Amino acid sequence: AQSVTQLGSHVSVSEGALVLLRCNYSSSVPPYLFWYVQYPNQGLQLLLKYTTGATLVKGINGFEAEFKKSETSFHLTKPSAHMSDAAEYFCAVSDHRGGDDYKLSFGAGTTVTVRA
Amino acid sequence: NAGVTQTPKFRVLKTGQSMTLLCAQDMNHEYMYWYRQDPGMGLRLIHYSVGEGTTAKGEVPDGYNVSRLKKQNFLLGLESAAPSQTSVYFCASSYTIGPYLSYNEQFFGPGTRLTVL
Repeated sequence: AQSVTQLGSHVSVSEGALVLLRCNYSSSVPPYLFWYVQYPNQGLQLLLKYTTGATLVKGINGFEAEFKKSETSFHLTKPSAHMSDAAEYFCAVSDHRGGDDYKLSFGAGTTVTVRA
Repeated sequence: NAGVTQTPKFRVLKTGQSMTLLCAQDMNHEYMYWYRQDPGMGLRLIHYSVGEGTTAKGEVPDGYNVSRLKKQNFLLGLESAAPSQTSVYFCASSYTIGPYLSYNEQFFGPGTRLTVL
C-alpha cells in the first residue's frame, strides 16, 4: 500500500507570502497524485492532480504542484497567500497497479493559517 | 446537480446504539466510498463499492457495515456504536472510463459529524 507523508501539520503564513506544503510518497512506481482542500465544515474538493505528462501542474485558486520522481515528492505552492486560503490541505495518491487503482491513500493533512 | 449528499449532518449516539448514514450521488458514478476523518490521521477508507450490489472492506472496516442496493446510494451502518467511532464521516464517489483510469477525482459529500457518548 502507498504511504503519504505531509511534513508539518500546521503552517502559518502572512498574507501575500509564499505558501509551500510538502508531500512525499513511497512507491517505486510513480502513482497518480492529488491535492485536496477542505474549508471549515465542508467536504474535500480537488485542487489539482498529476497523472502523466508535464510535471508542473496548475490547479484552482492559483495553486500549483510539481512532481519530482527522483525525490518522490509532490509539493504544493502558491506564490501569494490570501486570507481565503486558510484551510486544511491533503495530499493523496492512487496506486494504479494490481487492481487498487480506484482507491486513494491520504496524508495526515496540513492546516494553513493566514495572518493579516 | 446536488453532487454527493449525506444524511444526517450531525448525530449523537449512546454507546451500543445503532444508526445508518446515508450517502446519495446524482452523477451516475460507479464507485462509492466511506471514509472517516480523525485529527492528525487524514482520511481512512472504511468500505467501498465498485458497483451496485457489491461492497468491499477498506482500511478500517471493523464495527461498520455497508450496503449498495441502488447505484446512487451507499449506506454505512453502525450496529453497536462505540466511543472510538466518534469521528467525521465522509462519503465520496468517482467514475472510471477504463482499466487504469483511477486518476479521476473523487467527489466528496459535506460530511456527518458523529459523537458516541
